[in-house]
Amino acid sequence: GAGVSQTPSNKVTEKGKYVELRCDPISGHTALYWYRQSLGQGPEFLIYFQGTGAADDSGLPNDRFFAVRPEGSVSTLKIQRTERGDSAVYLCASSRTGGSPYNEQFFGPGTRLTVL
Amino acid sequence: AQTVTQSQPEMSVQEAETVTLSCTYDTSESNYYLFWYKQPPSRQMILVIRQEAYKQQNATENRFSVNFQKAAKSFSLKISDSQLGDTAMYFCAFMNRLNTGNQFYFGTGTSLTVIP
Repeated sequence: GAGVSQTPSNKVTEKGKYVELRCDPISGHTALYWYRQSLGQGPEFLIYFQGTGAADDSGLPNDRFFAVRPEGSVSTLKIQRTERGDSAVYLCASSRTGGSPYNEQFFGPGTRLTVL
Repeated sequence: AQTVTQSQPEMSVQEAETVTLSCTYDTSESNYYLFWYKQPPSRQMILVIRQEAYKQQNATENRFSVNFQKAAKSFSLKISDSQLGDTAMYFCAFMNRLNTGNQFYFGTGTSLTVIP
C-alpha cells in the first residue's frame, strides 16, 4: 500500500498569511504525528493524534498553530499569521496504533514551508 | 527533560569501509528506547535500527549495528560495508517507554557521505 503522503511538497507564503498543510497517513493507522524540522536540526514533536482526538499537543509552539483530524484519517496542520521563523520542513508520521514504541512510525516526505 | 546529542555534524567514509556515528543522550528514566533514523535527500525518515534500554544485547540489522552503553548513555551506530545508498542524514532518537504519546526526541543529525 501507499506510504504517508503530504501536500504540498513545497509552500511559499508571505509573512502574516494563513497556510494549511495536509497529511494522508497509511490506511488503517490510527496514530498520527506532526513534527517540525528546522534547518540543521532534528525533527521536533508538535502534536499527536489517536483517532480523531489530539492526545498530546504539548509541542505546538503557540496558539497560531492548530491541527485537526476530523475523520481519524487525513490531518491538516494550520498556521495563522505566519512568521519567518515558521519556515521549516513539516513532517507527518503515522503508526498502526499509538501507545507503544514497537509500533513503527512511518514518515512522509514533508512539506517545506518558506515564509518570506 | 530528554536531550540527544550528536557531536559529528558531518562524516565521510570510503565505499565498502566501516564507519561509526556517535550519539549520547541524557535522561533520568530507566526504561526507554533508542533509534537511528536515516533521512535521504527525499526527506523521508526511514527507521534503521531500534534498541530497548532493558536489553543488554546490542541490536543488529544486516550491515547496521549499535554499541549501546547504558551507563555511559551512549548509543553509536556502526555501518559496515558502506554503500553509496547509505549517503544521508542520520538521526539518533530517544523515546520514553512511559510516554504514551510515543514522542521522539531527535538529535541534530550527522551527514554521512559515502565516497566511491
